Amino acid sequence: GAGVSQTPSNKVTEKGKYVELRCDPISGHTALYWYRQSLGQGPEFLIYFQGTGAADDSGLPNDRFFAVRPEGSVSTLKIQRTERGDSAVYLCASSLTRDSTDTQYFGPGTRLTVL
Amino acid sequence: QQPVQSPQAVILREGEDAVINCSSSKALYSVHWYRQKHGEAPVFLMILLKGGEQKGHEKISASFNEKKQQSSLYLTASQLSYSGTYFCGTEGLSNTGKLIFGQGTTLQVKP
Repeated sequence: GAGVSQTPSNKVTEKGKYVELRCDPISGHTALYWYRQSLGQGPEFLIYFQGTGAADDSGLPNDRFFAVRPEGSVSTLKIQRTERGDSAVYLCASSLTRDSTDTQYFGPGTRLTVL
Repeated sequence: QQPVQSPQAVILREGEDAVINCSSSKALYSVHWYRQKHGEAPVFLMILLKGGEQKGHEKISASFNEKKQQSSLYLTASQLSYSGTYFCGTEGLSNTGKLIFGQGTTLQVKP
């Protein structure tokens, strides 16, 4: 079946602009995770959803970052007033449930570049 | 608290074995291992749970020492396709599904 998909694959924006990054999880997966990966580093947790609600948003760096999952499927990560330090690959992952035995399947990521 | 992986990098010849370690300063509920090739998404390898349950690929083995909060990934008879960066993701005892990843171990297998 189809895996996790993310759009766009690349996004170049100017400092101060607003961006939206989209994640389509595997069908039927109730848990959805957002991570950010900088060059040479491991993925850094941002937020995760169980269904429609944000179960843990402790990784969001500041209030410029916000994510939604209104219908419990597709999720959008929104970044306001982008800064050069926001440049990274934003990864989305989904799993059947949030249970530890369920594998988190990653999407290909969105590479965000803030000029 | 980010787990610490060692070594940072390793170079092997085909057929050789390697061990990658992951250590945490916090008590863990589970450890998840992934391999990532350049420009690609991380690919799942193995989950190890507190209590000894494991789930993963047949050709890859791993261990989880709960007392030491350490996990090791064993790659035997390495193939060229094993090349990539290996990450461990650790989950705390709160068992929320949230993973904290190490900085990665880069493995290069040469012919």
